[in-house]
Amino acid sequence: QLQLQESGPGLAKPSETLSLTCTVSGGSITSYSYYWSWIRQPPGKGLEWIGTIYYSGSTYYNTSLKSRVTISIDTSKNQFSLRLSSVTVADTAVYYCAQRGGLGRAFDLWGQGTMVTVSS
Amino acid sequence: DIQMTQSPSSVSASVGDRVTITCRASQGINNWLAWYQQKPGNAPNLLIYAASILQGGVPSRFSGSGSGTDFTLTISNLQPEDFATYYCQQAHSFPSSFGQGTKLEIK
Repeated sequence: QLQLQESGPGLAKPSETLSLTCTVSGGSITSYSYYWSWIRQPPGKGLEWIGTIYYSGSTYYNTSLKSRVTISIDTSKNQFSLRLSSVTVADTAVYYCAQRGGLGRAFDLWGQGTMVTVSS
Repeated sequence: DIQMTQSPSSVSASVGDRVTITCRASQGINNWLAWYQQKPGNAPNLLIYAASILQGGVPSRFSGSGSGTDFTLTISNLQPEDFATYYCQQAHSFPSSFGQGTKLEIK
């Protein structure tokens, strides 16, 4: 059964780059029907889609974050990653990786999430 | 970009009640609409996709309807485990987007 697990530092300093990795287990990241996404949730607030990558490397980004976001994929490691540059306290959030599978293009599988705090 | 607007932002109800949450898209998205349930400290969980299709294992008291720009999530015969926050999400096109959420609280 497919599972997702986020990993990375839980703390970042303002102006630095936040880097997270999502490891896919129980299946191949190169499955043709899957898209891989990052979604975040600031404390006490709603969900914000950050971006999505297909195994071919095609990427799609949130318009408001596009200038600071890079999502990449490493098929040899069955992982995909998020880099968010020039972070501020407003980027403090729980970061989730998620799979968009074949169910109406919905996010049908999520990682448990990882909290990232931006603080000096 | 497509904006998703949910209402109400919060609702209080009792066990056994029926609750309806609405979601409106800023432009037509056909039936590319999903609903998620999130409980405190947990990742969101997919309830409904394609506006009205229940994800496997989701109780039949949950139902979804709508097409185009207006959608509803209805929960009949509320159970204690249903008190949570619900989000809609448009899956029509990138960039994807979520509604702001509806918190369902016990009255």
